[in-house]
Amino acid sequence: GAGVSQSPSNKVTEKGKDVELRCDPISGHTALYWYRQSLGQGLEFLIYFQGNSAPDKSGLPSDRFSAERTGGSVSTLTIQRTQQEDSAVYLCASSLLGGAPTDTQYFGPGTRLTVL
Amino acid sequence: AQSVTQLGSHVSVSEGALVLLRCNYSSSVPPYLFWYVQYPNQGLQLLLKYTSAATLVKGINGFEAEFKKSETSFHLTKPSAHMSDAAEYFCAVTNFGNEKLTFGTGTRLTIIP
Repeated sequence: GAGVSQSPSNKVTEKGKDVELRCDPISGHTALYWYRQSLGQGLEFLIYFQGNSAPDKSGLPSDRFSAERTGGSVSTLTIQRTQQEDSAVYLCASSLLGGAPTDTQYFGPGTRLTVL
Repeated sequence: AQSVTQLGSHVSVSEGALVLLRCNYSSSVPPYLFWYVQYPNQGLQLLLKYTSAATLVKGINGFEAEFKKSETSFHLTKPSAHMSDAAEYFCAVTNFGNEKLTFGTGTRLTIIP
């Protein structure tokens, strides 16, 4: 079956612009996660959705970052007024149930964001 | 708080040789541990996971890892390296009631022909 998909695969933007990154989880997966992979910080957790609710937003680095999930499926990560330090690969993952460490997270290929 | 340390950001082994990638964890509660592999321009793929059952865990592609509580380690091994094993490997930890994974900084494995 289809895995987690993300779009765009690459995004180049100018400092100060807003960007939207999209994630399509595996069909039927109730949990969705966003992570960021950058040279200086490694892989870091951003936000977790259970259905359309986000019980854990603890990893969002600033109020310029927001995310939503609609219909228990697609999620959009929005970065406002982008800064050069936002340049990274943004990874999305989904799992069947969420909230349990035995529930495997399946990752998408990521969106590479470059802020000039 | 929990964390993972991966010793060696780069490891090179000859084809056919033993692969050993090190991971040490820190967790105040019983951990659940994972190894993921990332091939160039691809997402993370789960290799194996420890979820408090057997301490020796076998995964895909011939990899295995052993949970050693006394050493707070979860090292990844493969008896004989193959060229296709060249990739970046990440160790991660979580615990019951925690949905997010905390990753190590990764180890890039190079296979020498």
